[in-house]
Amino acid sequence: DADVTQTPRNRITKTGKRIMLECSQTKGHDRMYWYRQDPGLGLRLIYYSFDVKDINKGEISDGYSVSRQAQAKFSLSLESAIPNQTALYFCATSDPNVQTDTQYFGPGTRLTVL
Amino acid sequence: GNSVTQMEGPVTLSEEAFLTINCTYTATGYPSLFWYVQYPGEGLQLLLKATKADDKGSNKGFEATYRKETTSFHLEKGSVQVSDSAVYFCALSAPDMRFGAGTRLTVKP
Repeated sequence: DADVTQTPRNRITKTGKRIMLECSQTKGHDRMYWYRQDPGLGLRLIYYSFDVKDINKGEISDGYSVSRQAQAKFSLSLESAIPNQTALYFCATSDPNVQTDTQYFGPGTRLTVL
Repeated sequence: GNSVTQMEGPVTLSEEAFLTINCTYTATGYPSLFWYVQYPGEGLQLLLKATKADDKGSNKGFEATYRKETTSFHLEKGSVQVSDSAVYFCALSAPDMRFGAGTRLTVKP
């Protein structure tokens, strides 16, 4: 079984709709992250959480919100989706007890906003 | 702010050719440096890492050396295979992660 899972894997929605992307992990890591990937731009950090009570904005948080429901779960919401939020979204985890901040990625969610 | 610049792709090589993908960084302090690889339809996987100056990370025949004097972490492999076809991302942690734009490598038989 995969250590980091994301649901759904693909989603097509319309402008103005509310969308939630979910991430679960079985690695026991405290730190979780949401990124978006756009062609030619690499990955950009949206939000990150270092534990259940900690939420931090990343480079591009506008238009997004997150919820850390438990150590293992970190959800990303688009309150009112717009076409330029069409992208590939990745969840990742890391272990703060390891010296280097190696991240472990989920398989991604491809979101299309029409 | 912290950032990573890597060689634009795409890069197309024949099997057994030598590979170099350039990566330079800007950061305050002493970041950890990483190369991640993304195979088609998958998330990113760590390929190799280095945590301090002059460290060499290596894995699966790939190598990269942390060069503080040139702020670089170039990825190299002596003989690429078709199975190496993927997108490669350079990244730093200082402490939040910053990724380069990615370089698509295609290896032809």
